[in-house]
Amino acid sequence: GENVEQHPSTLSVQEGDSAVIKCTYSDSASNYFPWYKQELGKRPQLIIDIRSNVGEKKDQRIAVTLNKTAKHFSLHITETQPEDSAVYFCAATEWTGNMLTFGGGTRLMVKP
Amino acid sequence: SQTIHQWPATLVQPVGSPLSLECTVEGTSNPNLYWYRQAAGRGLQLLFYSVGIGQISSEVPQNLSASRPQDRQFILSSKKLLLSDSGFYLCAWSITGTVNQPQHFGDGTRLSIL
Repeated sequence: GENVEQHPSTLSVQEGDSAVIKCTYSDSASNYFPWYKQELGKRPQLIIDIRSNVGEKKDQRIAVTLNKTAKHFSLHITETQPEDSAVYFCAATEWTGNMLTFGGGTRLMVKP
Repeated sequence: SQTIHQWPATLVQPVGSPLSLECTVEGTSNPNLYWYRQAAGRGLQLLFYSVGIGQISSEVPQNLSASRPQDRQFILSSKKLLLSDSGFYLCAWSITGTVNQPQHFGDGTRLSIL
């Protein structure tokens, strides 16, 4: 089955700096890669996603890049703000396209 | 628009007691439905998923079970809770018929076993 590794597990940045979270996956048949943000005690919320026919996608301060050859994808947050502090999860679909395998999560802390 | 409801929001149960958590989705037909568990400070573990009424797939062997008695209703149950069943239980849905779609999560149930 699919295996998703996420790094780093914790990340601390100063407000205004950029943050990068990286994930690798094992199943070359995976075609969909969402990112979720989970604030303390809340549900995970989809913040951005990318499909395998696209190499990069951007939404305001958030961008995701995908390298299918190397089987890795990354989340980039620019001009970080304290409200970006949360746990971020990457995920990848398995071969049926109906299930997601999640990475272990990255706790991002943005210091004011 | 689609919405997903989970209840209760919090639950405290003694070891050995039964469990029933309910999840319903509105605004879509025949969704894919999922139950996840999240231990404190940990990632998301898929427990069950369903692609239709009465169709349940289990990902992890345990003392939990799931049922889908109606199209948009998903229930997580246990006959006898263990201490290790404590955690944050999340229900999620995705569009059916089209692969590679996002999953959308409910607000979760925080379950504490005493």
